Amino acid sequence: EAQVTQNPRYLITVTGKKLTVTCSQNMNHEYMSWYRQDPGLGLRQIYYSMNVEVTDKGDVPEGYKVSRKEKRNFPLILESPSPNQTSLYFCASSSLDRAHMNTEAFFGQGTRLTVV
Amino acid sequence: GIQVEQSPPDLILQEGANSTLRCNFSDSVNNLQWFHQNPWGQLINLFYIPSGTKQNGRLSATTVATERYSLLYISSSQTTDSGVYFCAVPQIKAAGNKLTFGGGTRVLVKP
Repeated sequence: EAQVTQNPRYLITVTGKKLTVTCSQNMNHEYMSWYRQDPGLGLRQIYYSMNVEVTDKGDVPEGYKVSRKEKRNFPLILESPSPNQTSLYFCASSSLDRAHMNTEAFFGQGTRLTVV
Repeated sequence: GIQVEQSPPDLILQEGANSTLRCNFSDSVNNLQWFHQNPWGQLINLFYIPSGTKQNGRLSATTVATERYSLLYISSSQTTDSGVYFCAVPQIKAAGNKLTFGGGTRVLVKP
């Protein structure tokens, strides 16, 4: 089954304790990205990756890191989480067409993170 | 960047009713997606519909790219249709290929 898998689904952590949210896709997609969803602000892109070893900042990258060492995996790293990073996080993947534009995007199940 | 607006913001339906959700976008797009966010927060793909009409069971969607809008039809609604419906369009490559989402339509289907 084609899917994007995020882990964990729920996480409560304390301020400053490093954490990683994993994301894996089995569709051989070139493009992967992370979004956060907050009430009243909608979904905002954090980071994206066009392919292995190619990553770039989205709209709200502060406080986050990513890496793309393998095509299927795109972990999101919070080096020193703070309460304002409490949010619902989504990983997404899609293939790119000949013009390097996204085709259909698929989203993971979401990770609900609470930083206290 | 591109603006995406959805209407209505909220919709209350009696089970069995039909409804139409609208998505307007401010610029030309090469594709458009509709999602359903269920009460558990999961984003479920409904349609990938750059243009034309598609149907999937009780749901169908129509995109008129030249007039910059898309419609999602829900027929014979069921309580499991409750949740938030989003449309989303991609930004241009230079903007990171990100999806820009509309504000959503919150649907509540009452038994």
